[in-house]
Amino acid sequence: AQTVTQSQPEMSVQEAETVTLSCTYDTSENNYYLFWYKQPPSRQMILVIRQEAYKQQNATENRFSVNFQKAAKSFSLKISDSQLGDTAMYFCAFTHVNNNDMRFGAGTRLTVKP
Amino acid sequence: DVKVTQSSRYLVKRTGEKVFLECVQDMDHENMFWYRQDPGLGLRLIYFSYDVKMKEKGDIPEGYSVSREKKERFSLILESASTNQTSMYLCASSSFGQGDYEQYFGPGTRLTVT
Repeated sequence: AQTVTQSQPEMSVQEAETVTLSCTYDTSENNYYLFWYKQPPSRQMILVIRQEAYKQQNATENRFSVNFQKAAKSFSLKISDSQLGDTAMYFCAFTHVNNNDMRFGAGTRLTVKP
Repeated sequence: DVKVTQSSRYLVKRTGEKVFLECVQDMDHENMFWYRQDPGLGLRLIYFSYDVKMKEKGDIPEGYSVSREKKERFSLILESASTNQTSMYLCASSSFGQGDYEQYFGPGTRLTVT
């Protein structure tokens, strides 16, 4: 079975600093997608960043980047220059190609402090 | 922009009531999903549908049923609500055609069963 593990239930960071959220996953397949989703307080869940497993280059979206280690089955999210608006629950997720079944981690609650 | 809407943000029902949660998406997506979100457990898939009148069980279908009579609408039904179904319910949609497997989420319905 596919599982996604986020080992940090809560984290905090000072505004303008950098923080890294951890995620590991378990699969025997070779072709899949990984995602980080953000759920701000009382707001809709939105996609932050996605990584295709066949791509070696780590995905980057502005201040958000990932460290994808396929052999280690690790997919961490780095947030640079943290802003107050980054305060949210962050979910790591995984899906196989040609599969509707997306698996989510338990989430990490990130608080950015002024 | 993709828009996924859910019929209620907050809902309070009594034990034994029949509860309908409605979800509508406006982007002609084939796939629609119902998740349950609980603290420390992340998102767990209840049911999903990849076409009109088609449905597949997720990880926790017990006590729930679904209906998809039109492509844009996916309903979650609690036949006889119980207190252990108190939770946040999230609807999502995605498209085969995009090829990126991103799911788009609604704002969620926080259901309390008393």
